[in-house]
Amino acid sequence: DAKTTQPTSMDCAEGRAANLPCNHSTISGNEYVYWYRQIHSQGPQYIIHGLKNNETNEMASLIITEDRKSSTLILPHATLRDTAVYYCIVRVAWNAGGTSYGKLTFGQGTILTVHP
Amino acid sequence: DTGVSQNPRHKITKRGQNVTFRCDPISEHNRLYWYRQTLGQGPEFLTYFQNEAQLEKSRLLSDRFSAERPKGSFSTLEIQRTEQGDSAMYLCASSLADSTGELFFGEGSRLTVL
Repeated sequence: DAKTTQPTSMDCAEGRAANLPCNHSTISGNEYVYWYRQIHSQGPQYIIHGLKNNETNEMASLIITEDRKSSTLILPHATLRDTAVYYCIVRVAWNAGGTSYGKLTFGQGTILTVHP
Repeated sequence: DTGVSQNPRHKITKRGQNVTFRCDPISEHNRLYWYRQTLGQGPEFLTYFQNEAQLEKSRLLSDRFSAERPKGSFSTLEIQRTEQGDSAMYLCASSLADSTGELFFGEGSRLTVL
């Protein structure tokens, strides 16, 4: 799996957009970008994933550059409850057998602190 | 609650004792994963099952660690002869084999080895 690079920490004001960057310059054509977050004392939570097109769901938007070497997770209106560690993970989605690939490999992530 | 359930949530044990953690995945999920997380680090993959078959094991899973999923439903993770370095949060996750990567995690079982 391709390695990702994220800032160690970021701050954001409540109500503003939080933009979390991730570099994955060695990403392969069949690797997806996944974002998870982990709120203190809880298990990680899936946020969003994408291959090359931008994606949006009820939690966030994912912007992937055209060369796919970097991406940005956007939380449009951050709240105090969005304070968490955010993990960017790159991984093949499907193996040769047609089933989904297994493990996710987590890095150290970005500690996002949303302040009033 | 139909999420991933882990028990016990906290376990304090003395060095050298054996401990066992249980994970009940989301009922229709055929994949089950175990991760370990130490303070300040991201979760580290230990092993995963598809139904009752253990498909991959990390080098982190030493011979003191054993995981089972006998009937393809719940799973247990046993640590024998615990060491202080085993102190960590043990996380379980489940997913469907035909999903594109959304894993559902439990709250974890925190182990403290004295």
